[in-house]
Amino acid sequence: SQELEQSPQSLIVQEGKNLTINCTSSKTLYGLYWYKQKYGEGLIFLMMLQKGGEEKSHEKITAKLDEKKQQSSLHITASQPSHAGIYLCGAYTGNQFYFGTGTSLTVIP
Amino acid sequence: DTEVTQTPKHLVMGMTNKKSLKCEQHMGHRAMYWYKQKAKKPPELMFVYSYEKLSINESVPSRFSPECPNSSLLNLHLHALQPEDSALYLCASSQELAGSPNTQYFGPGTRLTVL
Repeated sequence: SQELEQSPQSLIVQEGKNLTINCTSSKTLYGLYWYKQKYGEGLIFLMMLQKGGEEKSHEKITAKLDEKKQQSSLHITASQPSHAGIYLCGAYTGNQFYFGTGTSLTVIP
Repeated sequence: DTEVTQTPKHLVMGMTNKKSLKCEQHMGHRAMYWYKQKAKKPPELMFVYSYEKLSINESVPSRFSPECPNSSLLNLHLHALQPEDSALYLCASSQELAGSPNTQYFGPGTRLTVL
C-alpha cells in the first residue's frame, strides 16, 4: 500500500506568517493530490501535481513535487485565519487512493 | 460545477435501526466512492463503484451495504450498526476509476452517531 507521511502533524502560526507542510511517500508518486478539510466537513480539492519538479499555485498556496517524485510540499504565504483546517495529501496505488496522515493548521489572528 | 451532495447532514440511529445515506453528483462522473472518517484521522476507503458496478470493497462489515442505482446516485444502507461505527461518512466522485489525473471531488459528509 501507499504510505504517505505528513509533517508536521500540527502547526500553530500567527496570521501573516508563512508555513510549509510536507508529504513524503515510501514509493514513487505518479500523481499527488492536496486537499483541505474544515473540521467535520467535506474535503476541498486544492491542486494536483503529476510531473517531477512541477509547481502549482492558487492564491497564496503553492505546491511542489520534487524531481524524484517522492515528496511534495505545500507552502502558504502570509497565512490568514481562513487557511485554518486540516491539510491532506493523497495518491493512488493502482485504483486505490490513500491519504496522508494529515496536518492540522491553526492560524492565530 | 464540481458539486457532490450528501443527505442527511446529520443522522442519529439506534443499533436496531435501518437507515440510508444518499450521495448525488451531476458531473457525469463514472466512479463513486464511500469513505469513513473517524475524528483526527484521514478518511478510509470503504467502497468504490465504477460504471455502477462495485469495484472495490475494503473488507467492510456486511452491516454496511452500498448501492448504485444509476450513474448519479450512490447509497449506503445501514443496518444493525455498532457505536464504533459513529463517524463522518464521505462520498466522492471522479471521472473514471483509472487514469491520471483522476481528481476525486468530495461531498460535505454525513455525521453519523450510533447510540
